[in-house]
Amino acid sequence: GAGVSQSPSNKVTEKGKDVELRCDPISGHTALYWYRQSLGQGLEFLIYFQGNSAPDKSGLPSDRFSAERTGGSVSTLTIQRTQQEDSAVYLCASSPGRENYGYTFGSGTRLTVV
Amino acid sequence: GQQLNQSPQSMFIQEGEDVSMNCTSSSIFNTWLWYKQDPGEGPVLLIALYKAGELTSNGRLTAQFGITRKDSFLNISASIPSDVGIYFCAGVQGAQKLVFGQGTRLTINP
Repeated sequence: GAGVSQSPSNKVTEKGKDVELRCDPISGHTALYWYRQSLGQGLEFLIYFQGNSAPDKSGLPSDRFSAERTGGSVSTLTIQRTQQEDSAVYLCASSPGRENYGYTFGSGTRLTVV
Repeated sequence: GQQLNQSPQSMFIQEGEDVSMNCTSSSIFNTWLWYKQDPGEGPVLLIALYKAGELTSNGRLTAQFGITRKDSFLNISASIPSDVGIYFCAGVQGAQKLVFGQGTRLTINP
């Protein structure tokens, strides 16, 4: 697509439920990133994919968080047994994967855990 | 995780004024980036800096990569209403990971 697409744009879930957030990167971009933005805060790195592999997943806050990428394209971030502190905007970005740091971000998924 | 120290946290200015914000870090970065985020949107890249001491302009925006590689500033000249938003600095760490500052929220009074 023309830009990075994320779905859903908003998600309200009950504490303890699992959620899946989806990211469709720009076509041809080999690198994909997930970041988390809490209210009034900067962006916190979660995980980075190059193709289908994740060389850096050091930012995942706990083992309740996981992510996968298939076909070098779509990525899914899964949060199991959601907690209230998981409430945030989850942003996905992609880049060509060369030494070009012009990340293109999606509009994010606003997750609210009640 | 590590974050950059960005200041000021917020600015309230009159239309037409110049704006200056900066970022510092205890770590060296080889690339500095400046992003702008509008409400409900993801950040958009404004300027990328790749060399220590580099001064780069993009229209009314000017950014510099500090000579120590531990700081950067962003200036906006003659502000206009559409400059309102949150500005983030980011340093590139490792292969591709960005470390972000906490952001500067810019508000402009017409």
